[in-house]
Parts: sequence; structure tokens; C-alpha cells
Amino acid sequence: KAGVTQTPRYLIKTRGQQVTLSCSPISGHRSVSWYQQTPGQGLQFLFEYFSETQRNKGNFPGRFSGRQFSNSRSEMNVSTLELGDSALYLCASSLGGVVTGELFFGEGSRLTVL
Amino acid sequence: AQSVTQPDIHITVSEGASLELRCNYSYGATPYLFWYVQSPGQGLQLLLKYFSGDTLVQGIKGFEAEFKRSQSSFNLRKPSVHWSDAAEYFCAVAAPNTGNQFYFGTGTSLTVIP
Repeated sequence: KAGVTQTPRYLIKTRGQQVTLSCSPISGHRSVSWYQQTPGQGLQFLFEYFSETQRNKGNFPGRFSGRQFSNSRSEMNVSTLELGDSALYLCASSLGGVVTGELFFGEGSRLTVL
Repeated sequence: AQSVTQPDIHITVSEGASLELRCNYSYGATPYLFWYVQSPGQGLQLLLKYFSGDTLVQGIKGFEAEFKRSQSSFNLRKPSVHWSDAAEYFCAVAAPNTGNQFYFGTGTSLTVIP
């Protein structure tokens, strides 16, 4: 069974640019969550999508957005990049429904903003 | 608002010694509680979870955790640490029945010395 796949794994952008990250969940999983991981801050919740609808949203500015497609694949977009957006972005998938704790994480997309 | 505190940023233990990683949470009721482990360059893996019932929960890789309501704590323990346990450990909480919005602590980095 394939795991959670995130692309690209590494990318470098400059301030002001925008970036799109992709996440393919485990087959059959309908919930996809995104987290930003930075040293000293741990993982911070960005948003969760379930059946193409945003179900939960964290405290990030509107520059951070996402969407989910009918096949449960998800993308997140960050516009007008800032230096502080440099981080590891983790995607996690779950069967969905109520909280089960069974979040399956991808290896992440490491974004560097210069 | 929910929050998670992991007081120990870094812990070093000898192989074969016992381990306890601390986690305290802030939440109005009893949340769902989790421990995840992140090995270098990899995504997070669920070690164990607590929803209700027996306050001592067993997980994978020989780990266990105890929920103490009076102390708002969910400490992770292992009787005998192996070199392969060296990793970053994250405690997390989620509100019941609200979807997969998890709040993570900042993590504890574990070093195991021979």
C-alpha cells in the first residue's frame, strides 16, 4: 500500500514568489491535513480538507490556501512568499470522519525562501 | 485554546536506560492525546494514542504513556532504550469529534549513547 506522497521534496523560491505543493494521500483516505514544521515551533496546523471541503483552519494568514480534489489529492499554495515561510511542509492523510489519531504523514516538502 | 508543552527540548540517555518524556496540555475537557515519533528525514509515525478508558496505554516499539487528568499530563515512557530510538518525539492533542486538527508540542529530541 503506497504511503502519502508529497511533491516536490525540495524547492527554493525567492521573496514575493508563490509556490504550490502537492499531496497524494493513501488510497481510500478522504482527509488531508497540512502542517508547517519549523525548528523551535514544532508542527503548526494549517488546514484540513475532507471530501473536498475545508473542515478546519489554523491561524495562518490568507496567503496560505489549499484545496482538495475529488480523488482526495490536495494542494496547498503560498502566495507572496516571505523569508519566514521557509519550513518543512507536512501533509497527513486519514480515513476521515471523526478523529482517529491515525494520521499518516508524508516525508514533507522543504521550502527555502531566499 | 488548546496547547501542548514539552518542557524538555533535548534528552540524552544511555542505551538500556529507562526513558520518560514529559508532555503537558491545556484544554477545557479531556482531549484525545497522542505521541508521534519522527526519525531523521522521515515523516511522523504514531506511537500511541489515548481516547478514554485505561489511563495507561501501550504503543508500538515498547513505548507506553500514562494519562493523568489531575496533572494534565501524558508522559511517554520506555523501560529500556535502544539506539534506534534516537529521534524527535512529539506530543499532540485533538478535540474530540472536530476533525483532524491536531495541536503539537515543540518536540523532544532524544539522543542515545552507547
